[in-house]
Amino acid sequence: QSVLAQPPSASGTPGQRVTISCSGSSSNVGSNTVNWYQQLPGTAPKLLIYSNNQRPSGVPDRFSGSKSGTSASLAISGLQSEDEADYYCAARDDTLTGRVFGGGTKLTVL
Amino acid sequence: EIQLVESGGGLVKPGGSLRLSCVASGFTLSSYTMNWVRQAPGKGLEWVSSISSRSTYIYYADSVKGRFTISRDNAKKSLYLQMNSLRAEDTAMYYCASEGAYCSSTNCALDSWGQGTLVTVSS
Repeated sequence: QSVLAQPPSASGTPGQRVTISCSGSSSNVGSNTVNWYQQLPGTAPKLLIYSNNQRPSGVPDRFSGSKSGTSASLAISGLQSEDEADYYCAARDDTLTGRVFGGGTKLTVL
Repeated sequence: EIQLVESGGGLVKPGGSLRLSCVASGFTLSSYTMNWVRQAPGKGLEWVSSISSRSTYIYYADSVKGRFTISRDNAKKSLYLQMNSLRAEDTAMYYCASEGAYCSSTNCALDSWGQGTLVTVSS
């Protein structure tokens, strides 16, 4: 059972916009910024979004993040086949004094 | 180019020990907090431990506290994870990851990851 809750799966067709939610509590998402990671099949995770809505250099602007209260969201617009991957949200938890991850959402491009 | 390369994984019996290593290149390891994150087969990511740039601050997940020890040797550009009293549930791919390049007011993201080293605990 992950500390942060994510839907196990999501899907969309090429060109569509999809969103992935991440729900936490006051000790993690509610009081700390959220980061998002993309893990392509068979590879290591890659930083996609940091500080709720900031993109590291090289990440396309099709990817965006937002946060409100104890929930966060990742949006992918103009969906492409290469976006098919697992997506994880993460935040620092003040009670656990460490990082916590969501359970991950497997995105399928139909 | 930033590169993190893990090694030391393998098959070990329950109750045994392993020492993982992570060698960094392409950046100044001594400036960054480092982390270990693991992923059990077919499962999600789990943060394991972190160590600040000068080893001042060290944190562990409750699941490994008292059994795992994180350390670093900045001169050797290396990060380590000593794992003792291993259990079947420790079976996972272990990734080292750096933080410090992309930060907010409350925390830094894990911005660079190694390719991982697989630890299997089985009799």
